[in-house]
Amino acid sequence: EAQVTQNPRYLITVTGKKLTVTCSQNMNHEYMSWYRQDPGLGLRQIYYSMNVEVTDKGDVPEGYKVSRKEKRNFPLILESPSPNQTSLYFCASSLGTGYTYEQYFGPGTRLTVT
Amino acid sequence: AQTVTQSQPEMSVQEAETVTLSCTYDTSESDYYLFWYKQPPSRQMILVIRQEAYKQQNATENRFSVNFQKAAKSFSLKISDSQLGDAAMYFCAYRDNNNDMRFGAGTRLTVKP
Repeated sequence: EAQVTQNPRYLITVTGKKLTVTCSQNMNHEYMSWYRQDPGLGLRQIYYSMNVEVTDKGDVPEGYKVSRKEKRNFPLILESPSPNQTSLYFCASSLGTGYTYEQYFGPGTRLTVT
Repeated sequence: AQTVTQSQPEMSVQEAETVTLSCTYDTSESDYYLFWYKQPPSRQMILVIRQEAYKQQNATENRFSVNFQKAAKSFSLKISDSQLGDAAMYFCAYRDNNNDMRFGAGTRLTVKP
């Protein structure tokens, strides 16, 4: 089944404790991206990647890191999480980088930082 | 920067009736796509319908259709014969060839039996 998977689905952590949210897709997609969803703000793009070893900042990259060492994986790293990073996170992928390509979303990761 | 505005935080509709959700956007690009996503309580983002900016004909998917007014930069979603399963958060989104993807704040739709 073609899908985007994220792990973990739920995470409660404390300020400053490094964490990684994994994202994997099995559709051989070139483009992958991370979003955070907050009430009243919709989804905002954190980082995106157009291919292996190619990443770029979205609208809200502060406090986040990403890497794209393999085509299928695009982990999101929070080196020192803070309470303002409490949010719902989505990973998405698409076949290409142009606007014509539909994005497929993962199931979301609910992160709480205390 | 491109922006997407959904001016209706909440809407409600009677089952079997029709409802229209509004969306406006701002861009200087000529080529772009517009989307409506549905997010039910499961939180999964589900693509409902999409519209290519260079196509004048409004997109339709079964009970879902759009009214795309390029000059006015308006992209509304019409849901006909509303069903209980249509209750969800709906997001309008924009994407262009600069890899810029923007979402509106969302409209929460309630369907009354």
